[in-house]
Amino acid sequence: EVQLVQSGAEVKKPGESLKISCKGSGYSFITYWIAWVRQMPGKGLEWMGIIYPGDSDTRYSPSFQGQVTISADKSISTAYLQWLDLKASDTAMYYCARQVMVAGPAEFWGQGTLVTVSS
Amino acid sequence: QSVLTQPPSVSGAPGQRVTISCTGSSSNIGARYDVNWYQQLPGTAPKLLISGIGSRPSGVPDRFSGSKSGTSASLAITGLQAEDEADYYCQSYDSSLSGWVFGGGTKLTVL
Repeated sequence: EVQLVQSGAEVKKPGESLKISCKGSGYSFITYWIAWVRQMPGKGLEWMGIIYPGDSDTRYSPSFQGQVTISADKSISTAYLQWLDLKASDTAMYYCARQVMVAGPAEFWGQGTLVTVSS
Repeated sequence: QSVLTQPPSVSGAPGQRVTISCTGSSSNIGARYDVNWYQQLPGTAPKLLISGIGSRPSGVPDRFSGSKSGTSASLAITGLQAEDEADYYCQSYDSSLSGWVFGGGTKLTVL
């Protein structure tokens, strides 16, 4: 069974750093892309970027380029989303999702990680 | 402002048919990239409903169907049921952004 299991909810202060994770199981982790999607409270879905764990090919949405870092450790089938300097506006639910191709649909989704940034 | 435009809300009575539109441009839907649809029930992660033209993952009822023409796409839901009440998002690939784009989402209310 394909599963994407994300790390738990986080509460951070502005200016702090954070790395959340998405662990894939039940499939060959290195042969599928992993996307990250943001959903701010009460708002819609926003694509942040994508990584191919097989060779770490990474693409970012222009809106998130330079704001976050996407990475993966194929040895433990885990993708990451990282911030170095959190802002209150980063408060959101973050989802990872698996897809076959860059332009393809997200067939499987993680359960989401809620990040709250507040002083 | 989302790259793909959806109506904020639609509604229908049980058993009725509703459609949700998704309007894009020549760099996404009009460039012949597939349009995918997701259903997000309250408090849960999005779930793939329709991929490409009408391909439904296992478990998705055939009451859900997708279509596309030019720079627009539509999701149709027939035989509306109370459990269909959710947010629906369209998504495509955009060649100018080199990534996904989403619609702003449509809240479906079953009256």
